[in-house]
Amino acid sequence: DVKVTQSSRYLVKRTGEKVFLECVQDMDHENMFWYRQDPGLGLRLIYFSYDVKMKEKGDIPEGYSVSREKKERFSLILESASTNQTSMYLCASSLGGHNTGELFFGEGSRLTVL
Amino acid sequence: KQEVTQIPAALSVPEGENLVLNCSFTDSAIYNLQWFRQDPGKGLTSLLLIQSSQREQTSGRLNASLDKSSGRSTLYIAASQPGDSATYLCAVDTGNQFYFGTGTSLTVIP
Repeated sequence: DVKVTQSSRYLVKRTGEKVFLECVQDMDHENMFWYRQDPGLGLRLIYFSYDVKMKEKGDIPEGYSVSREKKERFSLILESASTNQTSMYLCASSLGGHNTGELFFGEGSRLTVL
Repeated sequence: KQEVTQIPAALSVPEGENLVLNCSFTDSAIYNLQWFRQDPGKGLTSLLLIQSSQREQTSGRLNASLDKSSGRSTLYIAASQPGDSATYLCAVDTGNQFYFGTGTSLTVIP
């Protein structure tokens, strides 16, 4: 079975702190994605990556950056956390190619910024 | 831009009932459509993936259909159980992005 692992299920941070959210997949997938999910707004794409060292902005990249130094790992970075970044963050991966294929999600990371 | 809609937003049914969840999308140029289940506070679990060339997919008590030309998909759940209570989301793959509906929250009453 494909496994997407998010390192932290729950985090509490203070405004202005730097926050790292880590995501690892074990199926050699090309594509990796970071979403945030908020009540009433659904899933919104923050960043995605089609290959190592490659990144593309999604719909809401402001205040976030990403890193993909290895194929299996995709990190989301909040340079200076703000209260409006309190949310559920979901990492996902898919095989890749022209048809992005079936999408697999991690368990999510619930971030609270105080 | 692709828009995905799921109606109703919430549904409550007695145990044992068969039910249908709906998903509609505005642009028929999709590669596939995927149905997910999400339990409270958890990530999304993939239920069924329908390729654009397919009309339906089945897994156990679940059957998903796709009518690409009309921009619609349905998820049929047979003989519902309390354990089916969750939020169900659909997503379409346009080849470089996935677009998600906001989900239908299903409650199956024992």
